[in-house]
Formats: sequence, structure tokens, C-alpha cells
Amino acid sequence: RKEVEQDPGPFNVPEGATVAFNCTYSNSASQSFFWYRQDCRKEPKLLMSVYSSGNEDGRFTAQLNRASQYISLLIRDSKLSDSATYLCVVSDTGRRALTFGSGTRLQVQP
Amino acid sequence: DTAVSQTPKYLVTQMGNDKSIKCEQNLGHDTMYWYKQDSKKFLKIMFSYNNKELIINETVPNRFSPKSPDKAHLNLHINSLELGDSAVYFCASSPDIYSNQPQHFGDGTRLSIL
Repeated sequence: RKEVEQDPGPFNVPEGATVAFNCTYSNSASQSFFWYRQDCRKEPKLLMSVYSSGNEDGRFTAQLNRASQYISLLIRDSKLSDSATYLCVVSDTGRRALTFGSGTRLQVQP
Repeated sequence: DTAVSQTPKYLVTQMGNDKSIKCEQNLGHDTMYWYKQDSKKFLKIMFSYNNKELIINETVPNRFSPKSPDKAHLNLHINSLELGDSAVYFCASSPDIYSNQPQHFGDGTRLSIL
């Protein structure tokens, strides 16, 4: 079983749509959680951290369910510029490393 | 100013050669990393260094040798390059080793082995 699992997609959605990505992780000792965004042939960039109580940044909302070891990302009012691969990232203090999911590809269409 | 910079951006070379990739960060971070992203886009950690000390070595062949002359630099030397080494190599840094901080990535080195 992969440490961090994501649906690879692609998710093809029209502009203005709401889209949700899910991610599950296997290590219950994981302490910190992030969503990164990676554009084609570019480096991963931090989109947002994920907090236990859930958090929102503009059109983006992240949720964490520690009991189910599940993380989600909701994007409202999708823009063309949201087209990218979204990477679910999990860390644990013991291993002192981040583990990346393989990413979910989003394509927003006009 | 680029926070994490890698050179070269592209590297095309023949099997069996030895090559190096350099990485520098100007963020004042203590910890630096090398990742490999293969053709399936899976990003996997190779090494991490904290203040010049090796912290993580993720079962990488010993043809790969990282070197950290100071905490702002982490270079990667690869001996006897093989076809399977073709990938994008990303350098990253974070404030410390406790991994609860997001990492900042360089823009990658695209290595192609002929």
C-alpha cells in the first residue's frame, strides 16, 4: 500500500465548477499535512497547509480527518489557471521527511 | 532573487558518464533535500541534510553521492550514469528537520541519459 494515495485523474471540469480531491495516508504518526501544486514541467509549490480544524484560503478549502487518515481539497469557482497537478503531502516527525502522493491532475476547460 | 536555485536546468549526457548538479538556497534554512521525479511523476526523496549533516539516505544506489559544503549548498554527484537515472531532480530546503514546515523547491534539473 502506498503511503499517500490519490486519484490520479484527470479531472476535467468547466470554468466555474467546484471540484474536490481526496487523499488517504497510511502512517497514523503523521503530524503535518499540505497541498502542493505542480504545473507542467515546473517545481512543486506550496498551495496551503492543512490544519485539524480545517482551513480556507480564498477559493480553496482543506479538511483533515485524522481518524480516517483522510485529507481533502475543495476548489470553488474553478479558473483556467487552476489547471495543474495537486500533490497531497504528509510528514511525520519521526521520519523527518515529507511523503508526496503521486498527484491528481486537474484540467479546467473554458 | 531566486530562493532555491539549481544548475544546470537541463543535462543531456551518455550512459557511463559522471555528472554533478548544484543547489544553493538563500533562505537561511538549515535543511536541504534532493528529490527524484520520474516519468510517472512520482516525487521521491533521496537525501536530506541538516546543517551539513546527512539525515536521510533513502536506499539510493551508492553511485549517487550528495555533498554539503555548507548549509546553504547541497550538491549531487552521480557516477556511471544509467538509463534509469533519467528524471527530473529537485532540490528543496526547509527551515529545520522537524518536517512540519513546508519545503521550498528549486525549479529542477532535467537529466536525460542517451
